[in-house]
Amino acid sequence: NAGVTQTPKFQVLKTGQSMTLQCAQDMNHEYMSWYRQDPGMGLRLIHYSVGAGITDQGEVPNGYNVSRSTTEDFPLRLLSAAPSQTSVYFCASSYLGLATYNEQFFGPGTRLTVL
Amino acid sequence: AQKVTQAQTEISVVEKEDVTLDCVYETRDTTYYLFWYKQPPSGELVFLIRRNSFDEQNEISGRYSWNFQKSTSSFNFTITASQVVDSAVYFCALSEVGGYGGATNKLIFGTGTLLAVQP
Repeated sequence: NAGVTQTPKFQVLKTGQSMTLQCAQDMNHEYMSWYRQDPGMGLRLIHYSVGAGITDQGEVPNGYNVSRSTTEDFPLRLLSAAPSQTSVYFCASSYLGLATYNEQFFGPGTRLTVL
Repeated sequence: AQKVTQAQTEISVVEKEDVTLDCVYETRDTTYYLFWYKQPPSGELVFLIRRNSFDEQNEISGRYSWNFQKSTSSFNFTITASQVVDSAVYFCALSEVGGYGGATNKLIFGTGTLLAVQP
């Protein structure tokens, strides 16, 4: 049971480049989400998904796209990277519903630098 | 709007001291969940505790204890007899409730408190 995995761990991009951050979980969790962590700002929600084929925006969605074609995978796409997207990105997953509510499991993070 | 405030940006203590990390939240929901996460220097996020809005009992887990007071919208975290391994950033978070199955699972984080425990 690998939990939540993220690749790559580190990435350096030039302004304007695009890339995809990968996230996968093997716990059959319905809910998956992406957060970014910036100094002094905690973690902020970018996008989330409550199941395959269903995604929605979080607090800071601009400049990012997501899709959820399978329960296991939830990739985050940067369309045209900007220096303001330099951050640490965390993927998380959990079950849905109050009755079976569990803590969110976080991946190890991806540290992205945009030059 | 929901909000979580961790007013203490950094705290430095000497090993074996007790330390309390403050968390104040704002929400209009009557049902909500509160969390504490630990982020050690290695960077991963470690779940510590979840508390729902209907359960105001304090909780103790080893050297860790949590004090939830709805009257003051606070969910404070105390480490007793701190150790160097407790050095980390600690985040308090609030989850919205509503929508699918009653829970949205969306977490609203505070800005974190950096705890440095000196030997």
